[in-house]
Amino acid sequence: QLHLQESGPGLVKPSEILSLTCTVSGGPISSSSYYWGWIRQPPGKGLEWIGSVLYSGTTYYNPSLKSRATVSVDTSKNQFSLRLNSVTAADTAVYYCARACHGGNNYYYYYMDVWGKGTTVTVSS
Amino acid sequence: SYELTQSPSVSVSPGQTASITCSGDKLGDKYACWYQQKPGQSPVVVIYQDNKRPSGIPGRFSGSNSGNTATLTISGTQAVDEADYYCQAWDSSTVVFGGGTRLTVL
Repeated sequence: QLHLQESGPGLVKPSEILSLTCTVSGGPISSSSYYWGWIRQPPGKGLEWIGSVLYSGTTYYNPSLKSRATVSVDTSKNQFSLRLNSVTAADTAVYYCARACHGGNNYYYYYMDVWGKGTTVTVSS
Repeated sequence: SYELTQSPSVSVSPGQTASITCSGDKLGDKYACWYQQKPGQSPVVVIYQDNKRPSGIPGRFSGSNSGNTATLTISGTQAVDEADYYCQAWDSSTVVFGGGTRLTVL
């Protein structure tokens, strides 16, 4: 059974870099059938997609975060990571990593079928 | 940028049918999926590719998508179905979430 676990600092200072890692166990990250993505949820608010990466390194990003976010993959460790620059209090959220199924012929489908438990990141001095 | 719109809240009596809608321009020309999120838990996909149910999701959950609206239907709603529900689609190489609908079973 696939398991995803987020890890990283729970507290980050304003203007600094938020770095999180998602460790995948129970299956290989190297599959063209899946993207690996980051989603966040500010307190009391909805879900916001940050970005996704394929095992080959192909990435997609939320346009509103693209200038600050980097998602990368390390197949040797079966991990993928998020780096978010120049954080502010608005980046305080629960951060989830997730596996996404994708594909399709006429229409393209993309949905997240396995999620980590999430990790809370607070941006504060 | 593409937007998905959901009503903030829906209420339903136990045993009745709940319908949660998600609107977006020509959404019917895309695949929609739905996530259920209970307090303090990670989201769980309950419908994908418009109307497919993952294994383990009860048969009372169903979905449809046509025109500008995708609909999640919960037949015979139970108290355990009380949760936030989010629709999601893929557009122009980005993942788009709806704002979420809180389903109250009372």
